[in-house]
Formats: sequence, C-alpha cells, structure tokens
Amino acid sequence: DIQMTQSPSTLSAFVGDRVTITCRASQTISTWLAWYQQKPGKAPELLIYKASSLQIGVPSRFSGSGSGTEFTLTIISLQPDDFATYYCQQYNSYPRTFGQGTKLEIK
Amino acid sequence: EVQLVESGGGLVQPGGSLRLSCAASGFIFSTYSLNWVRQAPGKGLEWVSYISGSGSTIYYADSVKGRFTFSRDNAKNSLYLQMDSLRAEDTAIYYCARGYSAYDVWGQGTLVTVSS
Repeated sequence: DIQMTQSPSTLSAFVGDRVTITCRASQTISTWLAWYQQKPGKAPELLIYKASSLQIGVPSRFSGSGSGTEFTLTIISLQPDDFATYYCQQYNSYPRTFGQGTKLEIK
Repeated sequence: EVQLVESGGGLVQPGGSLRLSCAASGFIFSTYSLNWVRQAPGKGLEWVSYISGSGSTIYYADSVKGRFTFSRDNAKNSLYLQMDSLRAEDTAIYYCARGYSAYDVWGQGTLVTVSS
C-alpha cells in the first residue's frame, strides 16, 4: 500500500497569510494526487486534482504542485473560510490512501 | 443538482449487520464509478470500497474485505453497502463519493456506531 504523509499536522496562521502544506508518498505516484478541504461536521470537498488542476468553483488562491513523491498545497492570502482540515489522497493504485490531515487554525 | 444522499446508519451490536444506501441524482449514474469512504470519530479519511459504473469491478480495503459487500442498482440510481460481522473499529461516518480518480461529489454521510 502507498503511505501518504502530510506535514505539518497542525498549522496556525493569520488571515492574509500564505501557507503551504506538504504531502509525501511512500512511492512514486506521478501526478495522481488530489487535495480535499473538510470543515467540521461536513463532507470533504475536492480542491485540486492531478496534483495541480483546480477543481471548478475553487478560488484561485488555492494551488497545488509536485510530482513523483513530493507535493504541496499552497493557499495565498488566507481567508476566514479557509480554516479547515486538508487531506491529500493518492489515486495511483488501490487501495486509495489519504494523508492523516493538516488542521489549519486561525492565529 | 448533482447529489448523493446516504442513509441506513445507526447503532448495531458487535457481530451484527447493517445495510447502507446511497441515492444519486443529477447525473448519468451508470457512467460513474463510486466509492465508500469512512471517517472514525475525530480521525482522518479511510477509503473503504470502489465500484465501477457497470458494477463489474469492485475493490475493497483489507480492513473490510470478506465482511462488506458493495453493490449498485443502476435502474434505481442507488448504491448499497452490506456490512456484516461489524466490529467496534467500524464505527465511523460513511460517505459515498463519486469518481474513479479524484472524488468530485460527496454525500453528507451516515453515522454507523458499533457498540454493545
């Protein structure tokens, strides 16, 4: 199974900041990676697919990059609505696996 | 509106069974692969199972293989997850999610609690 490791697990930031979340795969997954945002009590929502493609309707302050085993999600100019938990997921092979999540907290 | 709506969750004793359903609307159901993803209380996301559009290909996580059965009825635009031999560690919110690759549509989830 491919293990996905996110860092950091928790991130504190101010409104207006730029933040980066890292996701590492235990083996190469090309660009078969997605990022999701989840707010408390809600289902996850797709932000980024194929490592860097922005899902329709997602604000352009979100961006993704990377390939192989190293990936990043960057949010520029944080908005109050962005404080949530973020997950990466690989879809290179089965079983599909998620990172453990990064909780983005307001400072 | 594209929508997935889960139902069937509840409280069940260890060793018991439960059948979850997921009703789809707003898209051509038979052309999409679907999945079950679960989330234990306060924990992260865990992929559980996948089914192709025709239902001919199904995959399971090792943690549920042999105990859970995923099926679909394309005439009814519905998915089903038959869960047998339930364990305490199966306690979670169960989401159905659309997609073979990234999951672009999710239901609101249904809570399954396995406890005596």
